[in-house]
Amino acid sequence: DVKVTQSSRYLVKRTGEKVFLECVQDMDHENMFWYRQDPGLGLRLIYFSYDVKMKEKGDIPEGYSVSREKKERFSLILESASTNQTSMYLCASSPGYNEQFFGPGTRLTVL
Amino acid sequence: RKEVEQDPGPFNVPEGATVAFNCTYSNSASQSFFWYRQDCRKEPKLLMSVYSSGNEDGRFTAQLNRASQYISLLIRDSKLSDSATYLCVVNSVTGGSYIPTFGRGTSLIVHP
Repeated sequence: DVKVTQSSRYLVKRTGEKVFLECVQDMDHENMFWYRQDPGLGLRLIYFSYDVKMKEKGDIPEGYSVSREKKERFSLILESASTNQTSMYLCASSPGYNEQFFGPGTRLTVL
Repeated sequence: RKEVEQDPGPFNVPEGATVAFNCTYSNSASQSFFWYRQDCRKEPKLLMSVYSSGNEDGRFTAQLNRASQYISLLIRDSKLSDSATYLCVVNSVTGGSYIPTFGRGTSLIVHP
């Protein structure tokens, strides 16, 4: 079974802190994605990556950056957390243009 | 970026009912289509892919209408365990990049 893991299920941070969310997949997938999910807004794509050291902006990249130094790991960075970044963050991976496999999500609260 | 639209519901149906959801998309260059299921406080999981010829998996049938730019999901003989949010996903290639777009989801509640 494909496994996508995320570093934390719940995270509480303070405004202005730098936040790292880690995602690791074990199936050698080329593509990895970061989404946030908010009630009434659905899943919105923040960043995605099709290869190591490669990244592309999604729909809502402002306030976020990403890093992909190894194929299996895709990190989301909040440079200076703000309260409007309180959300559920979901990481996914996929082999090509096919099914995405999601991690369990990280519920981030910024106080 | 172009949109994927779904009726948020909730669709409230009795066990055994047949229920159908539609999802419209605006990008005519869209290339692949999926339905995902998301249970409360869980991650989305693939329910089925959607092909032009239509496809069926047990009680679930998915259809794609490229001319009208919509996909549909039909659930027959609804079970209590079908209660969930159903997300449609449209993959498009834009500027050489493959980009998935999720609808906001349709909530289904199946009651006894």
